[in-house]
Amino acid sequence: AQSVTQLGSHVSVSEGALVLLRCNYSSSVPPYLFWYVQYPNQGLQLLLKYTTGATLVKGINGFEAEFKKSETSFHLTKPSAHMSDAAEYFCAVTQGGKLIFGQGTELSVKP
Amino acid sequence: GAGVSQSPRYKVAKRGQDVALRCDPISGHVSLFWYQQALGQGPEFLTYFQNEAQLDKSGLPSDRFFAERPEGSVSTLKIQRTQQEDSAVYLCASSLGRRKPTQHFGDGTRLSIL
Repeated sequence: AQSVTQLGSHVSVSEGALVLLRCNYSSSVPPYLFWYVQYPNQGLQLLLKYTTGATLVKGINGFEAEFKKSETSFHLTKPSAHMSDAAEYFCAVTQGGKLIFGQGTELSVKP
Repeated sequence: GAGVSQSPRYKVAKRGQDVALRCDPISGHVSLFWYQQALGQGPEFLTYFQNEAQLDKSGLPSDRFFAERPEGSVSTLKIQRTQQEDSAVYLCASSLGRRKPTQHFGDGTRLSIL
């Protein structure tokens, strides 16, 4: 069965600093990978996805992620954090059509 | 509609009552998913429909949980004889199908069992 590990349940950065949220997955076959963001009392919004092709994928709000098969990783980055980036971030992998989620990383942005 | 719509947004019920949660997917989306999100956790899969067929219900925690999608559009998740551990946010998502795996989520129903 697939599993997703997000290192760090809480990450805090200063406004303008680099954001790095880590995600590792277990998979014996090439997966589809996703990053979603969740604001309080809202559902999940898709940030970006990897299905096939280019391993560096760009998403909304300046986020990007790189699929590294050899490391089974799909880390999320943003060069410069903004206050509006404060939210919960979830990495997910597909398994038989359904999504398997990590436990989430709460991102705080300090002024 | 423009997005996945869930109702009610909030539901409070007494232990032992039955509840029904509704999901209206994006028009034309073949696949529909239900997830349960406990406080401070990632969403966990409950069940999956392709059109009206329930293809996977392996995540339903007990036989008190039942989902249907009779006409291949709107879906209802029913929980019978609710218990406190059922308190969670229930998220619905839809997608175009297996070859288009991106799932679009609704805002969820927050269920509180007293």
